[in-house]
Amino acid sequence: NAGVTQTPKFQVLKTGQSMTLQCAQDMNHNSMYWYRQDPGMGLRLIYYSASEGTTDKGEVPNGYNVSRLNKREFSLRLESAAPSQTSVYFCASSPQGATDTQYFGPGTRLTVL
Amino acid sequence: EDQVTQSPEALRLQEGESSSLNCSYTVSGLRGLFWYRQDPGKGPEFLFTLYSAGEEKEKERLKATLTKKESFLHITAPKPEDSATYLCAVQGRSSNTGKLIFGQGTTLQVKP
Repeated sequence: NAGVTQTPKFQVLKTGQSMTLQCAQDMNHNSMYWYRQDPGMGLRLIYYSASEGTTDKGEVPNGYNVSRLNKREFSLRLESAAPSQTSVYFCASSPQGATDTQYFGPGTRLTVL
Repeated sequence: EDQVTQSPEALRLQEGESSSLNCSYTVSGLRGLFWYRQDPGKGPEFLFTLYSAGEEKEKERLKATLTKKESFLHITAPKPEDSATYLCAVQGRSSNTGKLIFGQGTTLQVKP
């Protein structure tokens, strides 16, 4: 039981490049989330998916898109990366949704030059 | 606006020296308060969820308590392996997204 897994662990991009961050969970959770963590800003919600087939914006969605591929997988896409998107990205999942504890993955450290 | 403030930002303790971390919050109806531990280069690891004032939860050397305005994470006789950043987060009743509002964290260092 791996929990929440994320790939890649590290990535360096040039401004304007695109990439997709992958997240998968094997806990049969319904809800999944994407956060970013920046020094002095704490963790902030980018997008979430309450259940398979649904996605909604969080606090800082600009510059990102998401896809809930199936119940297990939730990907985050940067279409045209900007230096302001340099951050550590965490995926999380919870069993049912809004009232449940969220369990986090190990993170992806992204640098945009 | 929902807000979480943690103090102190950093705390250095000697092994065995007990102390407390504070998490003050303002939220429009608390749905839950969460404590996480985060080691360098890792994701947050869930510790506790508290739902109502007066509630307490314990795990090994850690004990979390909750009042209407703040939560404390008490660390009793800490060991070097307790060194980490401790994050507090709240979830308000106005949120239907499961969105967590995180504090900045308290970085704890326990010296042998």
